[in-house]
Amino acid sequence: AQSVTQPDIHITVSEGASLELRCNYSYGATPYLFWYVQSPGQGLQLLLKYFSGDTLVQGIKGFEAEFKRSQSSFNLRKPSVHWSDAAEYFCAVGAWGTGNQFYFGTGTSLTVIP
Amino acid sequence: DAGITQSPRHKVTETGTPVTLRCHQTENHRYMYWYRQDPGHGLRLIHYSYGVKDTDKGEVSDGYSVSRSKTEDFLLTLESATSSQTSVYFCAARGGGAGNEQFFGPGTRLTVL
Repeated sequence: AQSVTQPDIHITVSEGASLELRCNYSYGATPYLFWYVQSPGQGLQLLLKYFSGDTLVQGIKGFEAEFKRSQSSFNLRKPSVHWSDAAEYFCAVGAWGTGNQFYFGTGTSLTVIP
Repeated sequence: DAGITQSPRHKVTETGTPVTLRCHQTENHRYMYWYRQDPGHGLRLIHYSYGVKDTDKGEVSDGYSVSRSKTEDFLLTLESATSSQTSVYFCAARGGGAGNEQFFGPGTRLTVL
């Protein structure tokens, strides 16, 4: 069965520090992987996605993620966090079938300390 | 945001009352989804649609029904609202083709008293 695990419920980092958010997935075929960000009271916005090809993908707002098939992981990184990055982050895997459903992790809440 | 709107944005209702939430998209996406978001659970799929009049159940479909009579509109109905259905509801849409992302609406906050 498809599933996504985000082991860190909440992370606090200082502004300017580096960031890594973890995501592990379970999927029986080649996965399509996504990271979304949700600011308070807002909908979800796509940060980046992995479809095929280069396993290091670049996204918006200076984020990147690396697909590691051997570890079933798709961790999100940013070299220097800004206060505006404080938000909820969701990892998702796309399953291709009748509805082409997505399976979301439970999210990681990021707090940025000035 | 791919032109996805949800209405109403906020609603307070009483237990046992029927409620309908509307999702409207302007990009002619084939697939549409309804999720609920609750603390500690992330996003859970309620129902989805893969075309006009083609719908199917998601993970948490009990107590909910949907309809899609036009490509652009996807309605979620709570036939008899319960307090456990207090949540934030998100609609999403995506086009066909592998690798396409879902685009999300702004959400509807529903409170059932």
